[in-house]
Amino acid sequence: QQQVKQSPQSLIVQKGGISIINCAYENTAFDYFPWYQQFPGKGPALLIAIRPDVSEKKEGRFTISFNKSAKQFSLHIMDSQPGDSATYFCAARTLLSGNTGKLIFGQGTTLQVKP
Amino acid sequence: DAGITQSPRHKVTETGTPVTLRCHQTENHRYMYWYRQDPGHGLRLIHYSYGVKDTDKGEVSDGYSVSRSKTEDFLLTLESATSSQTSVYFCAIREDRGQETQYFGPGTRLLVL
Repeated sequence: QQQVKQSPQSLIVQKGGISIINCAYENTAFDYFPWYQQFPGKGPALLIAIRPDVSEKKEGRFTISFNKSAKQFSLHIMDSQPGDSATYFCAARTLLSGNTGKLIFGQGTTLQVKP
Repeated sequence: DAGITQSPRHKVTETGTPVTLRCHQTENHRYMYWYRQDPGHGLRLIHYSYGVKDTDKGEVSDGYSVSRSKTEDFLLTLESATSSQTSVYFCAIREDRGQETQYFGPGTRLLVL
């Protein structure tokens, strides 16, 4: 119920191609869905996020598509660049006590963009 | 990096020894979190804090304790380190208002021999 399942585990894309990473969840109480990007030796950094009342959000080359009925969401990276090579995590928020939330993370996808 | 520092950045210790990791923030945010990152598991919440002396457990809290005596510092203690606690530990903060965006520190790589 609290899991977020992410696929694929790894992805290789040619420069200029589209990278697609998928996540699925079960808990309908999740109310916020961020994607994080992590470079080796660094902490994760927020890339883009969406709420379940929106079906798509675009920021530059990055787009989240959200399918509430299917309980799935995906990250699309258009015109992928070698600098996009990183590990990507999807996450979903569930509420905690203390007026904050807990992020449940997917397992991560390692993206390699070949020049 | 949202003004978050973690210390130490790397540590090697032996099974059974206590270990304390420190997270320091410079922006007086109320909410702070400790996660561990392991291959195949993403990041998992250990403990979190919603104010000075206000802390609660996350999903993988066994074997860990935390303390927050000042707004800027959130300490994670492994009472008696085990090899299963070998991991990369990340501290995160959340801004007091607005979205549930969490900003992560640079991480501490811990090896328990």
